[in-house]
Amino acid sequence: QSALTQPASVSGSPGQSITISCTGTSSDIGSYNFVSWYQQYPGKAPKLMIYEVSKWPSGISNRFSGSKSGNTASLTISGLQAEDEADYYCCSHAGGSSPHVIFGGGTKVTVL
Amino acid sequence: QLQLQESGPGLVKPSETLSLTCSVSGGSIISSNYYWAWIRQPPGKGLEWIGSIGSNYFSGKTFYKPSLKSRVAISIDASKNQFSLKVSSVTAADTAVYFCVREYESAPNYWGQGTLVTVSS
Repeated sequence: QSALTQPASVSGSPGQSITISCTGTSSDIGSYNFVSWYQQYPGKAPKLMIYEVSKWPSGISNRFSGSKSGNTASLTISGLQAEDEADYYCCSHAGGSSPHVIFGGGTKVTVL
Repeated sequence: QLQLQESGPGLVKPSETLSLTCSVSGGSIISSNYYWAWIRQPPGKGLEWIGSIGSNYFSGKTFYKPSLKSRVAISIDASKNQFSLKVSSVTAADTAVYFCVREYESAPNYWGQGTLVTVSS
């Protein structure tokens, strides 16, 4: 039940693309397509950006895209904008004898 | 539009039980096939999933984070359209902003605004 592994920080210039990785194990990301991503501004509740690896909730820009390969999921933000500066968390269903949900440690995205 | 609102004491003494309630509006807890969960975030730290409870088709089935299972209980009060969290034997490590959420396929998609609970004597 260790947290999923994310880089502490990622940065990019406006208009560029950045990718945040999220590494788990064969018990979570590797076995289930229930990976989601959240954007969180300071003092606010997280907002769902991607669910089931690569699906968009209503109202979310397609500048945000998700993918998965093996035990690692990724969130790509294309056409980086100042408003994208926030913390991002990945999340996955985890199976085993006691199914639960697990989060990554979070990644701070800085727009240079 | 579904809305969730946490309520409960903002200060709890060490070794006591933390109790929070989430009031749901804009939809019925029991008539929908979802899981309702609690997530917390210690100050300046990341998100931690605590546990969830299923409604309707999922018939009150609960799941808990393994390391918290012995201290946590989540329940539904259908008559009030609420669900609740209890964490027993709290310590300073339980100090956090607590969010109630609705999950869809293990993805929390509706969140309350969060409530800060501080454990201190």
